[in-house]
Amino acid sequence: QKEVEQDPGPLSVPEGAIVSLNCTYSNSAFQYFMWYRQYSRKGPELLMYTYSSGNKEDGRFTAQVDKSSKYISLFIRDSQPSDSATYLCGGLYSSASKIIFGSGTRLSIRP
Amino acid sequence: DAGVTQSPTHLIKTRGQQVTLRCSPKSGHDTVSWYQQALGQGPQFIFQYYEEEERQRGNFPDRFSGHQFPNYSSELNVNALLLGDSALYLCASSLSGSGGPQETQYFGPGTRLLVL
Repeated sequence: QKEVEQDPGPLSVPEGAIVSLNCTYSNSAFQYFMWYRQYSRKGPELLMYTYSSGNKEDGRFTAQVDKSSKYISLFIRDSQPSDSATYLCGGLYSSASKIIFGSGTRLSIRP
Repeated sequence: DAGVTQSPTHLIKTRGQQVTLRCSPKSGHDTVSWYQQALGQGPQFIFQYYEEEERQRGNFPDRFSGHQFPNYSSELNVNALLLGDSALYLCASSLSGSGGPQETQYFGPGTRLLVL
């Protein structure tokens, strides 16, 4: 079993829709959780960084962590075609440790 | 302020050859981590360098080695290349010791390696 599981998609939604991206993880030692966005043939770009359970909001993006169910989510409001990318979730044991990534979800926003 | 830079952008090698990839961290960062990303997969951690020493290592064979220089830049070396080493190699930099979000890893654009 992979430590971080992510539905690879592809996920296609119309512009303006609310997008929900989800990951599950198996290692309860994870303390920090990340979401990165990766455009085709580019490096991952940090979107959200959360510690422990709860919600964190940044503009159109909301990250949610539920440590009791080992479930992490990213919500995108008012989705735009420029949000079309692969979204990677990841967990860390400590703030300085390696990131354990999921396989990524490919998202397409239709104009 | 330059972000993380990597060179070269693309590379083609043949099986059995050796390759060296280079990374310059974001200004002010002192830690460099290397990841391998196969097509359609998430990045996999190779190793991390801090104070010119390997601090953490992932599940990669000894063919993968690295180095960090006094200016914090880093190299990834891969010997005896295999077809399966074809991937995007990503470098990420961070600032150690600050704790929490300050230790966030920022990624470079990657080097795409093709082994024929």
